Amino acid sequence: GAGVSQSPSNKVTEKGKDVELRCDPISGHTALYWYRQSLGQGLEFLIYFQGNSAPDKSGLPSDRFSAERTGGSVSTLTIQRTQQEDSAVYLCASSPDKGQPQHFGDGTRLSIL
Amino acid sequence: QKEVEQDPGPLSVPEGAIVSLNCTYSNSAFQYFMWYRQYSRKGPELLMYTYSSGNKEDGRFTAQVDKSSKYISLFIRDSQPSDSATYLCAMSAYSGAGSYQLTFGKGTKLSVIP
Repeated sequence: GAGVSQSPSNKVTEKGKDVELRCDPISGHTALYWYRQSLGQGLEFLIYFQGNSAPDKSGLPSDRFSAERTGGSVSTLTIQRTQQEDSAVYLCASSPDKGQPQHFGDGTRLSIL
Repeated sequence: QKEVEQDPGPLSVPEGAIVSLNCTYSNSAFQYFMWYRQYSRKGPELLMYTYSSGNKEDGRFTAQVDKSSKYISLFIRDSQPSDSATYLCAMSAYSGAGSYQLTFGKGTKLSVIP
């Protein structure tokens, strides 16, 4: 079956621009997570959505980062006024419910010039 | 002290060898333990998932959890060149916000030489 789909696969943009990253989770999965993977830091949690509950935003590094999940399915991660330190791979994962194994997409490789 | 410690390697072994990968952790609230495999330019792929101390076997892979020592291991038997990848341990605990976000080790890069 279809796995987690992320787009774009690569994004190059200039410092100061806004970017939007999209995640389409596995059908029927109620839990959706965003992580960031960078060389020095490894994989870090950003934000979590579960059904219609308020998201857990505790991992967002600054107020330039935001995310939404429309209709309990597709999610968009937005980074405003991008900085060079935002360069990383942004990974989305979904699971059937909270506490269940998470399945990852292949990520969006973001490069800020 | 990092919550999850994992030796980054690199680890190089001959084909057919038994591979042992390990992580230690400090947070006793961790309840769920996972191993992921990540190939270059791909997302992490779930290999093993367990929530209790003891061993869990799946084909050539065995996951071991020792909660008393806060230590988890992944063993790969009869290693193959296709096992060459980065292996990430991950664990989760219930947080006050209702989330089970994963805390990852930094990953161990494994090369299996034909």
